[in-house]
Amino acid sequence: GAVVSQHPSRVICKSGTSVKIECRSLDFQATTMFWYRQFPKQSLMLMATSNEGSKATYEQGVEKDKFLINHASLTLSTLTVTSAHPEDSSFYICSASETGRHEQYFGPGTRLTVT
Amino acid sequence: QKEVEQNSGPLSVPEGAIASLNCTYSDRGSQSFFWYRQYSGKSPELIMSIYSNGDKEDGRFTAQLNKASQYVSLLIRDSQPSDSATYLCAVSPLWGGSQGNLIFGKGTKLSVKP
Repeated sequence: GAVVSQHPSRVICKSGTSVKIECRSLDFQATTMFWYRQFPKQSLMLMATSNEGSKATYEQGVEKDKFLINHASLTLSTLTVTSAHPEDSSFYICSASETGRHEQYFGPGTRLTVT
Repeated sequence: QKEVEQNSGPLSVPEGAIASLNCTYSDRGSQSFFWYRQYSGKSPELIMSIYSNGDKEDGRFTAQLNKASQYVSLLIRDSQPSDSATYLCAVSPLWGGSQGNLIFGKGTKLSVKP
């Protein structure tokens, strides 16, 4: 149980384009999903908290107009990186908590490379 | 600034030995504590959660929490080469950690030598 998937696992895009990443909880409903970013040899950094049916809460320093988050259902959240630049290249990981439970479970991550 | 500190390692132990991983945190109001394992190039995997002082055992893993000392540790008994990974300590001020307030340490790299 508690399986979280992400798609795509790896994406390469040109500078200036937009990329959408999907995060799905496969066997549970997740009222809350989270988006993290991890640069090489760095710790996980929370970007935003995504609540089903409401606007996401962004961490300080994260541009909400650049990183668009939609959490339209209890099993799906999407992160769209708009007008991507090389400095956005990173490992993006989502996590989800089953409604009523406490632990966060992570998706396998999406490695984004912007050329 | 709420911080979670871990020794970056690498911590090298022989196969079959006990690996001891340590973590300290700055926010005395922290309520929930988690250990995640992260293999290179992969996302974190939850190993243990602990919420109250004392020890919590799950198989070869034991988490220890001392809120007075703001210290949490993870012991891995009978270490195996497959345990070689980076271990992340995560702390939340909210009970359960499901509100997105997890603060991660930078992780300790463990290497188990055959």
